[in-house]
Amino acid sequence: DVKVTQSSRYLVKRTGEKVFLECVQDMDHENMFWYRQDPGLGLRLIYFSYDVKMKEKGDIPEGYSVSREKKERFSLILESASTNQTSMYLCASERQGSPRNQPQHFGDGTRLSIL
Amino acid sequence: DQQVKQNSPSLSVQEGRISILNCDYTNSMFDYFLWYKKYPAEGPTFLISISSIKDKNEDGRFTVFLNKSAKHLSLHIVPSQPGDSAVYFCAASDNYGQNFVFGPGTRLSVLP
Repeated sequence: DVKVTQSSRYLVKRTGEKVFLECVQDMDHENMFWYRQDPGLGLRLIYFSYDVKMKEKGDIPEGYSVSREKKERFSLILESASTNQTSMYLCASERQGSPRNQPQHFGDGTRLSIL
Repeated sequence: DQQVKQNSPSLSVQEGRISILNCDYTNSMFDYFLWYKKYPAEGPTFLISISSIKDKNEDGRFTVFLNKSAKHLSLHIVPSQPGDSAVYFCAASDNYGQNFVFGPGTRLSVLP
């Protein structure tokens, strides 16, 4: 069974801090994703990666960066946290395929509050 | 502009009755559709999917219907159970994987 683990369930940080959210998957999936979930907006894609050291911007990359140094680990970085980045952050992984019809497997999320 | 819309933010259904969740999309390049279920404090889990070459896919109590001409799909849950209470997200993908979009979600409450 696929396991996607996010390092923290709840996190409280202050404005201006650099914040790291970590995600690890154990199924050797090529594709990994970071989303944020906000009420009424669903899941919005921040960044994704198709391979180690590769990254692609999603729909809302501003204020974020990512790192993928190892296949199983995908990190989301808030360079200078702001209050509008308070949200639920979800990491997902997916086996690479074409057409792209493999379901994504999600972690349980990190609820991040920026004060 | 949202490419995938779920116009009902919430839905309440009596236990044992049918739940129908609707999803509309605007991009004609989408050809693969998925439904995910999300409980509070958990990540979404995959429920059922359908390819554009089909108009129906069934898995136990869950059936997804696709009307390509109307750019509309629906998820039917029969019979509904209290454990089905969750937020349901519709998602759509194009064949090249260049565009993958989630809808805003519908909160389903199944009342005992």
